[in-house]
Amino acid sequence: KAGVTQTPRYLIKTRGQQVTLSCSPISGHRSVSWYQQTPGQGLQFLFEYFSETQRNKGNFPGRFSGRQFSNSRSEMNVSTLELGDSALYLCASSLEWQVEAFFGQGTRLTVV
Amino acid sequence: AQSVSQHNHHVILSEAASLELGCNYSYGGTVNLFWYVQYPGQHLQLLLKYFSGDPLVKGIKGFEAEFIKSKFSFNLRKPSVQWSDTAEYFCACLDSSYKLIFGSGTRLLVRP
Repeated sequence: KAGVTQTPRYLIKTRGQQVTLSCSPISGHRSVSWYQQTPGQGLQFLFEYFSETQRNKGNFPGRFSGRQFSNSRSEMNVSTLELGDSALYLCASSLEWQVEAFFGQGTRLTVV
Repeated sequence: AQSVSQHNHHVILSEAASLELGCNYSYGGTVNLFWYVQYPGQHLQLLLKYFSGDPLVKGIKGFEAEFIKSKFSFNLRKPSVQWSDTAEYFCACLDSSYKLIFGSGTRLLVRP
């Protein structure tokens, strides 16, 4: 079956803009989580959605938000971009509670 | 807060050498532990996981890990590495709210 699909793969934005990233989970998976990966901070949890509800949230500012649709697809939005938001954003899907998470290839966001 | 520590940030080995990557976690309750691998340019893949039972866990590609509760450790091992094992390896645990907490990662370079 198809894996986790993230679009776009690469993005370049300027400071102050906003960006929306998309994640399509594995068919049948209802949990979608988002992570930020940077060389300095490693992999950090952003938030998790399950059945269109945010179940879990990491320690990121309110500029980072997300949502999940009825088909389990999820979007992540970052408003008022800062240089420090440059990172690889990973999406992971699982059947339930991150018991076994499957990751997408990520979206590489560069803020200039 | 729960945390995961990987003390070896970079490891260089020759092919056929044995591998052991250290991982320590801080959570004292029931733990769910994982090792993920990220090959160059590819997505994070699950190598193995431990939820309960036999503390010696076997994963894909000849990897195994041993859960030692008294030492809060979950070290990854492979008896004989190959050039194709060159990758970054991440240890992770599920925290009490079912978020995946990752270690900082270990970059392994295997020289042919």
